[in-house]
Order: sequence, then C-alpha cells, then structure tokens
Amino acid sequence: QKEVEQDPGPLSVPEGAIVSLNCTYSNSAFQYFMWYRQYSRKGPELLMYTYSSGNKEDGRFTAQVDKSSKYISLFIRDSQPSDSATYLCAMSNQGGSEKLVFGKGTKLTVNP
Amino acid sequence: DVKVTQSSRYLVKRTGEKVFLECVQDMDHENMFWYRQDPGLGLRLIYFSYDVKMKEKGDIPEGYSVSREKKERFSLILESASTNQTSMYLCASSFGGPTYNEQFFGPGTRLTVL
Repeated sequence: QKEVEQDPGPLSVPEGAIVSLNCTYSNSAFQYFMWYRQYSRKGPELLMYTYSSGNKEDGRFTAQVDKSSKYISLFIRDSQPSDSATYLCAMSNQGGSEKLVFGKGTKLTVNP
Repeated sequence: DVKVTQSSRYLVKRTGEKVFLECVQDMDHENMFWYRQDPGLGLRLIYFSYDVKMKEKGDIPEGYSVSREKKERFSLILESASTNQTSMYLCASSFGGPTYNEQFFGPGTRLTVL
C-alpha cells in the first residue's frame, strides 16, 4: 500500500459546482497536512495547511482531516474556471517541513 | 514575495552529458529541496539540504548529486544523464526549525535527455 493515495482524475465539473478532492494515507504518524495547487507549467503553491485533525476554512476552500480514518479532503465551493489546476495533497510527520510525502495529484477542470 | 528561481525552464541534453540544474532563493531559507515530477508518479524527493554544505538523500537519489556552497543556492547534478532522467525538476525552499514551515516552489525545469 502506498503511503499516500490520491485519485488522479481527471475531474471535470461545471462552473459553480462543489468540488471534493480526497487523499488517504497509511502512516498514522502524519500530523501535518497540506493541499498544493499547481497550474499548468508552474510550480506548486500552498493552498491550505492543517495540523492534526479538524477543519480549516479559507474563503471558498475548506480542508478537512480525519486522522481516525486516515483521510483528508479539500472542498471547493462555487468553483470557478480559474480553479482549473492539479491539486496535490502532501503530509509530514515532523514539525519541520522537510520530507513531505505527496499524493500524485488530481487534475481538475472547471467548465464555464 | 518569496522567490525561488531555476536557471532554465526547458533543457535538452544528450545521454552521457553532465547536467547542472541551478536553484536560487531570496528569502534566507535554511532548507532547500530538489524533486522530480513524473506523470502517474507525482512528486518525488531527490535530495534536500538543511544548511550550507549539508545534504541528505531523499527517496530517489540514484544518479544524482547536489551541491550547496552558499545558503541561497542549491544545485542538482546529473553526472551522466540518461533517458530515464527525462522529467520535470522542481526546486523548493523553506525556513528550518521544529515547527511547520511552508515549502515554496520554483517554476520547474523540464529536462529532456535524448
């Protein structure tokens, strides 16, 4: 079993839809959970960061972590064409940001 | 604004050539990282560095070496490039310390080895 599993998609939704992106993981020591967004031909950029379990909201984006199920989610409300990108989950078991383990990324297209 | 720059966006090299990929960050970050990104495999860590002249192997160091002579610069070296090293290479940097610090990525170098 891979340490982090993420459905690569692709996922195509109409503008305004609610998008749900998910990752599962096997290492119960992971404590830090991140979502990165990567536009085509660009480097990834941090979108959301969560420590341990719980929810975090930032505008249209909500990150959820369920450590008991080893499952993390990113919800995008009122999706926009500008949200079209690849979304990568990442996690770490250390306080420092070294040794992140990434999911393979989910490619999302939001159609106008 | 944090800036991580990489020396080339696109690079084409021949099998057996020695290849240097350069990365520079302007935020005085202690940590620097080299990843490669391949379709279906995601981002994989090649090497990282906690400080000048310090380096640690990541998950796939074979065929690569690194150099960090100055804090702001981290170089990835392919001693003898092979076709299976054709990939997107991403550099990242972050502050060090025991708490979480965001990794900032450069734009990437797409390397093709013929």
